[in-house]
Amino acid sequence: EAQVTQNPRYLITVTGKKLTVTCSQNMNHEYMSWYRQDPGLGLRQIYYSMNVEVTDKGDVPEGYKVSRKEKRNFPLILESPSPNQTSLYFCASSFVPGDTQYFGPGTRLTVL
Amino acid sequence: AQSVAQPEDQVNVAEGNPLTVKCTYSVSGNPYLFWYVQYPNRGLQFLLKYITGDNLVKGSYGFEAEFNKSQTSFHLKKPSALVSDSALYFCAVWYNFNKFYFGSGTKLNVKP
Repeated sequence: EAQVTQNPRYLITVTGKKLTVTCSQNMNHEYMSWYRQDPGLGLRQIYYSMNVEVTDKGDVPEGYKVSRKEKRNFPLILESPSPNQTSLYFCASSFVPGDTQYFGPGTRLTVL
Repeated sequence: AQSVAQPEDQVNVAEGNPLTVKCTYSVSGNPYLFWYVQYPNRGLQFLLKYITGDNLVKGSYGFEAEFNKSQTSFHLKKPSALVSDSALYFCAVWYNFNKFYFGSGTKLNVKP
């Protein structure tokens, strides 16, 4: 089944404890992206990747890191999480940039 | 600044009546325009997109959207609403060949 998977789905952590949210797609998509969803703000793009080893900042990259060592994986890293990073995070991918995006199920992160 | 606006936080409509969910954008050039739907505790699902051509775009589940370049709008429509259409709807713009901008979302309530 073609899909985007994210893990974990739910995470509660404490300020400053490094964490990684994994994202994987099995559709051989070139473009991958991370978003955070906050009430009243919609989705905001954190980082995106046009292809392997090519990543760039979205609108809200502060406090996040990404890497794209393989085409299928695009992990989101929070080196030192803070409470203002409490949010619902979505990974998405598309065959090429600008094409229809397929979204993962989301990761609900709470930073205490 | 580039942006996408969904002026209504919530739209209420009776089942069987037509529905409209509004979206306007303020990006230069010729952006690609998308509508996505989010059901509770789920990721976003693609409904339809406009890239070029006919201003009326037909999509999934009987939805359609009308692109109006002079008004920079891309309103989502459906001739006859169903209770199962109740969800959160997002308008999105692909801009500058690398970034996506999403609106803040509109909650659609369809009452029996």
